[in-house]
Amino acid sequence: DGGITQSPKYLFRKEGQNVTLSCEQNLNHDAMYWYRQDPGQGLRLIYYSQIVNDFQKGDIAEGYSVSREKKESFPLTVTSAQKNPTAFYLCASSLDFSGYTQDTQYFGPGTRLTVL
Amino acid sequence: ILNVEQSPQSLHVQEGDSTNFTCSFPSSNFYALHWYRWETAKSPEALFVMTLNGDEKKKGRISATLNTKEGYSYLYIKGSQPEDSATYLCAFGGSQGNLIFGKGTKLSVKP
Repeated sequence: DGGITQSPKYLFRKEGQNVTLSCEQNLNHDAMYWYRQDPGQGLRLIYYSQIVNDFQKGDIAEGYSVSREKKESFPLTVTSAQKNPTAFYLCASSLDFSGYTQDTQYFGPGTRLTVL
Repeated sequence: ILNVEQSPQSLHVQEGDSTNFTCSFPSSNFYALHWYRWETAKSPEALFVMTLNGDEKKKGRISATLNTKEGYSYLYIKGSQPEDSATYLCAFGGSQGNLIFGKGTKLSVKP
């Protein structure tokens, strides 16, 4: 089955801890994205990667870091510098970068992060 | 700051009703308008990508229209069914590069 997987589904973190959210795709897509959803808000872009070993900040990158060492993997680290990390996090991928190619983004099931 | 507005925020209809909702977006530097359906506990699922002014797309009972000159798109659902209950998201693709998502319209269809 082709698709995007995210793990874990639920994640609890103590204040001051870094945590890493996993995102894997087997769609052979070049572009991958991380979004954050808060109640009453639209999806907001954290980071995106157009190709392996390259990534750019989105609209709300502060307190987050990413890597793209493999085409199929785009992990997101929520650092202790992120002031309000409790949210729902969605990973997505597309064949090419959606912004310029109109390529559809395919989404994973999401990870709900709660800071205790 | 680019803004994508969706209305209404939520909608409650009876099974069999037809319904429609709106996505408003910047009318300049337009590349594409995406519609997604997001059912509870599932991943958002792509419905349409629309690129040309006057575009109309259809998938079963769901259709969408696009007006890039005035910056709006309508999503129509004919004869709503309970399985249509979901949040419908639109996303604007422009010269800024990344997609800008609206907050969504939450549709509830009562049997």
